[in-house]
Amino acid sequence: DGGITQSPKYLFRKEGQNVTLSCEQNLNHDAMYWYRQDPGQGLRLIYYSQIVNDFQKGDIAEGYSVSREKKESFPLTVTSAQKNPTAFYLCASSSDRPNTEAFFGQGTRLTVV
Amino acid sequence: QKEVEQNSGPLSVPEGAIASLNCTYSDRVSQSFFWYRQYSGKSPELIMSIYSNGDKEDGRFTAQLNKASQYVSLLIRDSQPSDSATYLCAVKGGYNKLIFGAGTRLAVHP
Repeated sequence: DGGITQSPKYLFRKEGQNVTLSCEQNLNHDAMYWYRQDPGQGLRLIYYSQIVNDFQKGDIAEGYSVSREKKESFPLTVTSAQKNPTAFYLCASSSDRPNTEAFFGQGTRLTVV
Repeated sequence: QKEVEQNSGPLSVPEGAIASLNCTYSDRVSQSFFWYRQYSGKSPELIMSIYSNGDKEDGRFTAQLNKASQYVSLLIRDSQPSDSATYLCAVKGGYNKLIFGAGTRLAVHP
């Protein structure tokens, strides 16, 4: 089945460690996105990519890094520079045509202890 | 000014009533507008999309878009307790940048 897969669903890390969240899609979508969601809040854009080997910062990129080496994959690294990394992380993808919706993965809940 | 603004709620309506959710956006060149529903702890799921001025109906849901006023709304008719969730307004602008509002919590009580 086509879709977006995020792994793992739950992730625990010690403070000061970098951690990489996986996002893979087989929808042949060009655009991919990473969002952060805190309890009771909306989705805040971290990074987005329109095409392979290109990506743009969103509103809260500090402390995060991404790569887009393959069309299907858009991993997000939460670095030790991110001051409060505990959150729910959502990956999405969409066609690059303007009037198309984004589809979401199941999310990764990251807890830093 | 936030790029996409919504009233956080909670919006409380009785079962069977009409729920009205509103959203404003700041980027005038935005072309695509979406409403997503999110249950607690789950991923957002698409409810409605709208791309041109006017109304778009799908079952109990109606989306309304007014580009001149930079305003999008979602009406839910015959609200059910299962509609209780957070509703997220999303706007796609230049370079396919997709921005979400903070969401409005809807509570439908029997």
